[in-house]
Amino acid sequence: SQQGEEDPQALSIQEGENATMNCSYKTSINNLQWYRQNSGRGLVHLILIRSNEREKHSGRLRVTLDTSKKSSSLLITASRAADTASYFCATGFRGHQFYFGTGTSLTVIP
Amino acid sequence: DARVTQTPRHKVTEMGQEVTMRCQPILGHNTVFWYRQTMMQGLELLAYFRNRAPLDDSGMPKDRFSAEMPDATLATLKIQPSEPRDSAVYFCASGLTPDGLEFPNTEAFFGQGTRLTVV
Repeated sequence: SQQGEEDPQALSIQEGENATMNCSYKTSINNLQWYRQNSGRGLVHLILIRSNEREKHSGRLRVTLDTSKKSSSLLITASRAADTASYFCATGFRGHQFYFGTGTSLTVIP
Repeated sequence: DARVTQTPRHKVTEMGQEVTMRCQPILGHNTVFWYRQTMMQGLELLAYFRNRAPLDDSGMPKDRFSAEMPDATLATLKIQPSEPRDSAVYFCASGLTPDGLEFPNTEAFFGQGTRLTVV
């Protein structure tokens, strides 16, 4: 399977703390994307990082990509209760399929 | 406000019945994906289309599932006959694949999903 694997599966933090979640994948990729899913809702795109990029920022989000280790991390700084959701990485493989990982469930405690 | 629209949002049906799920992609998007989400399997890619042509449906059980795009504004996913193990949330997503590429190089936009329960 070319699916990514997020780690940890579940994460619980206090509001204001930083949250870090990781994604590992198995094959070469063209890009890697992070999505958020609130309970019972569709997925919302957060950020895309291309295979020739190492780091990218968007607001309170920071994504890193290490293609040699086939891994990426998503850092959410100064977390808020509204950040409570599941976070998925998706890998673009050979310009074809859009594979999603198993997700990290983040709970931010007010 | 451009969005992917899926209907119905919820569907409860009896085993053996035909189920049809519909998706209206964002106007101008030329790539459509169908995913199935369950607790056990996570998000599984069932099929995807570019310019209405099916490019990959290898993730879809062929004996009972079928996916089509009758026109650029409508994608359908049918299950016939439905089984209890088909119970899941089915998501449609659309994106834009630029000329010369086989796949979108930007984000995919997801619909709210169809929650299917087969009893």
